Order: sequence, then structure tokens, then C-alpha cells
Amino acid sequence: DTAVSQTPKYLVTQMGNDKSIKCEQNLGHDTMYWYKQDSKKFLKIMFSYNNKELIINETVPNRFSPKSPDKAHLNLHINSLELGDSAVYFCASRGQDEQFFGPGTRLTVL
Amino acid sequence: GENVEQHPSTLSVQEGDSAVIKCTYSDSASNYFPWYKQELGKRPQLIIDIRSNVGEKKDQRIAVTLNKTAKHFSLHITETQPEDSAVYFCAAKIQGAQKLVFGQGTRLTINP
Repeated sequence: DTAVSQTPKYLVTQMGNDKSIKCEQNLGHDTMYWYKQDSKKFLKIMFSYNNKELIINETVPNRFSPKSPDKAHLNLHINSLELGDSAVYFCASRGQDEQFFGPGTRLTVL
Repeated sequence: GENVEQHPSTLSVQEGDSAVIKCTYSDSASNYFPWYKQELGKRPQLIIDIRSNVGEKKDQRIAVTLNKTAKHFSLHITETQPEDSAVYFCAAKIQGAQKLVFGQGTRLTINP
């Protein structure tokens, strides 16, 4: 059983396109996150949702829009993709304090 | 807000030797300090964590120490093996806060 899953694992697309990444957790947690990891490996938090409500938005461009249809899902939609959006995007889910990461989505913008 | 500094950024040790990675944090209200290991192409995985009411925690070859007065915590890996090669991240969480603040990561290489 995969605790936190993401799809797709790889995403290659042209500049200007719109794409979505989906995340699901089966841990029963209330809080989920999106992180961006660039080529230097730094883990940068983007958003957090608690029970479908946005609680953290770390000055991410408006082109990025998270959506949480229920507390087990947190999807990320990106409009008008730019070269600088190329990175690995990780979804995570939080229990009491511990965070569990999904497998990541490697996004390449050409 | 919280700030976490991690050193060194790269570390190379001989197989069988020990490795130590250090982190400092800025906010004395932080009370939870996890360590994550990220192998190449994989997700970060929690390997050990410590809370502010404990000074040291061990799990087989891995240990974490916390000095609340100095606001720093360290990861110790003994008898290193090739499979310990990875990027390690420390993090800190302020009590009541919703997010972890991560260090910059340490790339650990174990030389056979």
C-alpha cells in the first residue's frame, strides 16, 4: 500500500502549456503539502492545505493553483509553464508532526 | 520566522568511518527536529526524529543529539556503509506551526 502517491512520475511539456499533478494519501491525515525541489536539491515549500482549506501559500506565482477536493487529495495545476518551473515536485502528508513524501513528479519544461 | 542552517553541504567518508552532519535553528520555540534521507531519484524519507524534551535518540547506527541551549542538533551515522550515500536534510518545526523548515541538505558519499 502506497501511503502518498503522485501522478504522473514524469512530465515533459512545452513552454506556455498548462499541466496538472495529482496527489493522494491514504494515511487519514488532515494536512497536505506541495514542495518544489530544484537542481540544487533545496526543498522549498509551496502550499499547504488542512482539511481542504489553504493554510500556507509561500509567495508562489499565481500561475500555480492548488486544489483540494477532499482531505485525501491535493492537486497542483500550473498555467503558462516557464523554463524555470522545471524541477521535481513533491507532495507530502502530515500526521502529528511527521511528514511523509510522495514519490515526486519530475517536470521538464522545454 | 524559523531559519535552519545545515553543514557541511558535502561530506565524503571512508566506509566504516563515522559521519556527522550539523544543523542550527533560530527559533527557540522549535520543538520537533526530523532528519530525512533522500537517495538519488527517490523521495525524502524520515530516518529519525527528536523532540525538544529529549537530548539524544538512537536507532541502530543512527543517532541524533539536540542542544537546546545552543540551538543546534546533529545526525551521527556510525560504521558507514555504501548504502548510506544520499542527501540528508535536517528540519525544524515551531510548536503549533504547520510547516517544517528544512536545511539546505548534505550530500554524503561513502567511499569503499
